[in-house]
Amino acid sequence: DAGITQSPRHKVTETGTPVTLRCHQTENHRYMYWYRQDPGHGLRLIHYSYGVKDTDKGEVSDGYSVSRSKTEDFLLTLESATSSQTSVYFCATSPGLAARDEQYFGPGTRLTVT
Amino acid sequence: AQTVTQSQPEMSVQEAETVTLSCTYDTSESDYYLFWYKQPPSRQMILVIRQEAYKQQNATENRFSVNFQKAAKSFSLKISDSQLGDAAMYFCACQGTDSWGKLQFGAGTQVVVTP
Repeated sequence: DAGITQSPRHKVTETGTPVTLRCHQTENHRYMYWYRQDPGHGLRLIHYSYGVKDTDKGEVSDGYSVSRSKTEDFLLTLESATSSQTSVYFCATSPGLAARDEQYFGPGTRLTVT
Repeated sequence: AQTVTQSQPEMSVQEAETVTLSCTYDTSESDYYLFWYKQPPSRQMILVIRQEAYKQQNATENRFSVNFQKAAKSFSLKISDSQLGDAAMYFCACQGTDSWGKLQFGAGTQVVVTP
């Protein structure tokens, strides 16, 4: 299994506060992804990165920003958290060699915005 | 862009029996890949099986097999000899070679395995 860790694993925060979630990988994978999982929606892509400092938007990027200053770390920031951003957030990585690549997922972060 | 539809929110199967999960998709790309991921109660996402759209032969992985109907844009997953450990949420997903990095998931099907 790819070594992917997410921190924190659980977080409760108040509306309007900034929140940063961290994804760390030890596999030297080129691609990294942030998804959110909500009942009835499956996993939806927020942002992804195809290299250091190279990022692109996904399906549900509004209200989120990302940064990748090192190959191993991909940060997701909620500038001003809202209750609609209560969700489970997953980080994933893939080697970036081909579109058939499997994505490897982290354990998830449960975020509650009150 | 791709869309993926899983019309069965939940499926129940008895141990040792077979269950088939449905998935339909739509894509404007000519070359793409289809995946089934499993998410057990631990929440860990695990790849079950993968199908290249240009291959006519259906993929198989032990007790898991797919029925890929390209013209119908259908990609169903069959679980044979179901085991208690197969109880999980199963997600169908599609990725086009032109939209590399944008894996599109369906809403998921919860599989319940009864003894």
